[in-house]
Amino acid sequence: RKEVEQDPGPFNVPEGATVAFNCTYSNSASQSFFWYRQDCRKEPKLLMSVYSSGNEDGRFTAQLNRASQYISLLIRDSKLSDSATYLCVIYHSTGAQKLVFGQGTRLTINP
Amino acid sequence: EAQVTQNPRYLITVTGKKLTVTCSQNMNHEYMSWYRQDPGLGLRQIYYSMNVEVTDKGDVPEGYKVSRKEKRNFPLILESPSPNQTSLYFCASKGILQGYYEQYFGPGTRLTVT
Repeated sequence: RKEVEQDPGPFNVPEGATVAFNCTYSNSASQSFFWYRQDCRKEPKLLMSVYSSGNEDGRFTAQLNRASQYISLLIRDSKLSDSATYLCVIYHSTGAQKLVFGQGTRLTINP
Repeated sequence: EAQVTQNPRYLITVTGKKLTVTCSQNMNHEYMSWYRQDPGLGLRQIYYSMNVEVTDKGDVPEGYKVSRKEKRNFPLILESPSPNQTSLYFCASKGILQGYYEQYFGPGTRLTVT
C-alpha cells in the first residue's frame, strides 16, 4: 500500500464550480502536511501547508483529520488557471526528513 | 532571486554512457535531494543530503550516485544509464519559510535513455 494515496482523476469541472480532493496517508507518525501544485511538465510548487485546525487561503481551504488520516483540499469558485495536478505531501521530520508525495490528482477547469 | 537550477533541462542519451545532471541552489540550504517522477508513481526520492559531505539513499537509489562537496551543488550521476532510468528528474532544496519547512524544486530534467 502506498504511504500517500490520492484519486488520480482526472477531474473535469466547469469554471466557477467548487471541487474537493481527498488524500489518505498510512503513517500515523507523519507530522506535517502540504498541498503542492504542479503544472504540466513544470516543477511542483507549494500551494499551502495544512494545519491541524484547518486553514484557508483565498479560494483554497485545507483540512486535516489525524484520527482518520486524511487531508482535503477545497477549491471554491474555480478558475481556468486552477487547472493543474495537485499533489498531497506529508513530511517526516525524523530520519531522512523527507517529503512523501502522492501521485497527484489532475484537475481541468473548463470554460 | 531564490532558485534551484538544473542542467541540462533535456537529455537524450544511449545505454551505458555516463552522465551527470547538475543542481545548484542559492539559498544556503543545508538539505538537498533528488527525485524522479514517473506516470502513476508520483515523485520518489533518489538520494538526499543533509549537509556537505553527508549523503544518504532515498527510496530508489539503484543506478545513481551523488556527491555534496559544496553546500550549493548536488550533482546526480548515472554511471551506466539504462532505459528504465528514462524519467523526469527534479532537484530540490529545503529551508525554513516563516517557521515552516518549504521545499524548492528545480525546473526538472527530462532524461531519455535509448
